Amino acid sequence: SAVISQKPSRDICQRGTSLTIQCQVDSQVTMMFWYRQQPGQSLTLIATANQGSEATYESGFVIDKFPISRPNLTFSTLTVSNMSPEDSSIYLCSVEGDIVAGSYNEQFFGPGTRLTVL
Amino acid sequence: GENVEQHPSTLSVQEGDSAVIKCTYSDSASNYFPWYKQELGKRPQLIIDIRSNVGEKKDQRIAVTLNKTAKHFSLHITETQPEDSAVYFCAALSSNTGKLIFGQGTTLQVKP
Repeated sequence: SAVISQKPSRDICQRGTSLTIQCQVDSQVTMMFWYRQQPGQSLTLIATANQGSEATYESGFVIDKFPISRPNLTFSTLTVSNMSPEDSSIYLCSVEGDIVAGSYNEQFFGPGTRLTVL
Repeated sequence: GENVEQHPSTLSVQEGDSAVIKCTYSDSASNYFPWYKQELGKRPQLIIDIRSNVGEKKDQRIAVTLNKTAKHFSLHITETQPEDSAVYFCAALSSNTGKLIFGQGTTLQVKP
């Protein structure tokens, strides 16, 4: 499967600031997603990162709070804007559809970014 | 809306016993069902998946069964080992959105 990396792996931020999380894949993929996982909870989809166009957000998530970029088929960023303690969570990118491998549906996750907002 | 129900939320077994985790889904047109294992502090890892054109799939000690009529699928782990201890998530691919709908997770504890 594709090798997925995320930066930073963790961060502690002050409220009111913003943090940009990077997701890099070692192969071209058709789909990239951003999830949030609260401690002890399941995975909640924030948005689908679309290459060359605006991300598609799930209910309860808006672009002003979570701007997303996807400039190419191997890279995406998620920004958590104007952070509050409620944004403390693990943020995970995931990828689907390895173009070279010809896989579809299988979704693989990055290692996650643990964010703490004080 | 579409949802996936997962049971039990916690499961404790003795090493060597079998463990079964069950999920039900609401989207009758869903055709892809993956299972993820998440160890503490780690990313969810895809361990097995099944498509709607088969009823069972095995990979060494793990197997998944699918009953399309009843809209449920199950993960079976045989000869459990302490390293199987983790949180397991089932998911179903929405035929409407093309996105995965995750269950709530099952915390499996294998006691040595």
